[in-house]
Amino acid sequence: NAGVMQNPRHLVRRRGQEARLRCSPMKGHSHVYWYRQLPEEGLKFMVYLQKENIIDESGMPKERFSAEFPKEGPSILRIQQVVRGDSAAYFCASSPVQGHGYTFGSGTRLTVV
Amino acid sequence: AQTVTQSQPEMSVQEAETVTLSCTYDTSESDYYLFWYKQPPSRQMILVIRQEAYKQQNATENRFSVNFQKAAKSFSLKISDSQLGDAAMYFCAYRREIIQGAQKLVFGQGTRLTINP
Repeated sequence: NAGVMQNPRHLVRRRGQEARLRCSPMKGHSHVYWYRQLPEEGLKFMVYLQKENIIDESGMPKERFSAEFPKEGPSILRIQQVVRGDSAAYFCASSPVQGHGYTFGSGTRLTVV
Repeated sequence: AQTVTQSQPEMSVQEAETVTLSCTYDTSESDYYLFWYKQPPSRQMILVIRQEAYKQQNATENRFSVNFQKAAKSFSLKISDSQLGDAAMYFCAYRREIIQGAQKLVFGQGTRLTINP
């Protein structure tokens, strides 16, 4: 049973480009969460999604950031017109409908040059 | 809003010795969960230990144990017989419910633990 799969592991983008980060939750998990970790800081919650629904996006920046979890395929975190301050590690986690089992992926390190 | 504070940015310990990492939190809820996560250089977030607030008994996982003081809102992690593989960033986290069955974690700033051979 594969864990939470994130890709790519590393992503380099020039300022102004778009970044797309992918997350496939664990089998049987229907809740997906995205977190951002700036250098030398803890993880900060960004958004919580279920299939085809954004439930809580209270941690998402108001502009340039969006997330989706379509009926088929992975969850996508999209950052448009990236800036240097977007450089960070982005983590995805998933959990089942009931009970515990909050599992993190290995993260995507985004570097904006 | 819940907050989590780790006041020790860095700690070091001699191999085989015991070290305690501190964490305090703020909440108005009475039932909640607290966690310690380990993040080695590989970046993977590894769950070390979990404590449920309604349980008075402190959680233990092999060499890892917690001192949970609910009234003081304190949740420290003790690592006994430290090993070189314990070197990592350690994050304290509070679990906050979004809706039934879904939660988000509020993390502290982290403590970087170095093990001296």
